[in-house]
Amino acid sequence: QVQLVESGGGVVQPGGSLRLSCAASGFTFSSYGMHWVRQAPGKGLEWVAFIRYDGSNKYYADSVKGRFTISRDNSKNTLYLQMNSLRAEDTAVYYCAKDAPWYFDLWGRGTLVTVSS
Amino acid sequence: EIVLTQSPGTLSLSPGERATLSCRASQSVSSSYLAWYQQKPGQAPRLLIYGASSRATGIPDRFSGSGSGTDFTLTISRLEPEDFAVYYCQQYGSSPPITFGPGTKVDIK
Repeated sequence: QVQLVESGGGVVQPGGSLRLSCAASGFTFSSYGMHWVRQAPGKGLEWVAFIRYDGSNKYYADSVKGRFTISRDNSKNTLYLQMNSLRAEDTAVYYCAKDAPWYFDLWGRGTLVTVSS
Repeated sequence: EIVLTQSPGTLSLSPGERATLSCRASQSVSSSYLAWYQQKPGQAPRLLIYGASSRATGIPDRFSGSGSGTDFTLTISRLEPEDFAVYYCQQYGSSPPITFGPGTKVDIK
């Protein structure tokens, strides 16, 4: 079954850190670039980060550059997002998505990150 | 950064009617990199259209995309009850970032 399953969300204080994971199955994970996209409560979609299939290139939205790090472990079919120096405005559902390329043809169900004291 | 504007913000229609959604870009977008997504409450977005006019796998033919340059359109020929949702356009330019439009909500009149 082709799917992406995110995990690792939760409640964290401002300035804190969290690491999200995205487990892929049903396709050759190591052949595809992957993205993180987020959606604040009641808001639209915001692209967060991209990593090439082999991890050689990474791109970030300006809003997270220097605070978030995208990475992957192709041996574990898993994508990660390390989030540091979290702010209230980072509160969102975080989706991982498969690159098609440069659009998203498979999405996970998302994991909610809440930044609050 | 290319900014996408979607109109209208909300479209109130009845089942069976035709829906026409607009997506306008602040500068020219390659048609190869314009996509449309549908999102229902509590669900992840679903890819409908890519390359401005190609339907994704499993998408009914009542959904169609058109346009080029800065003006793109998603048309739903006859609305089914399951089509009431929010629709987003998305573009990728010559380099990241990828941007989304703010969405159009199609609700039941």
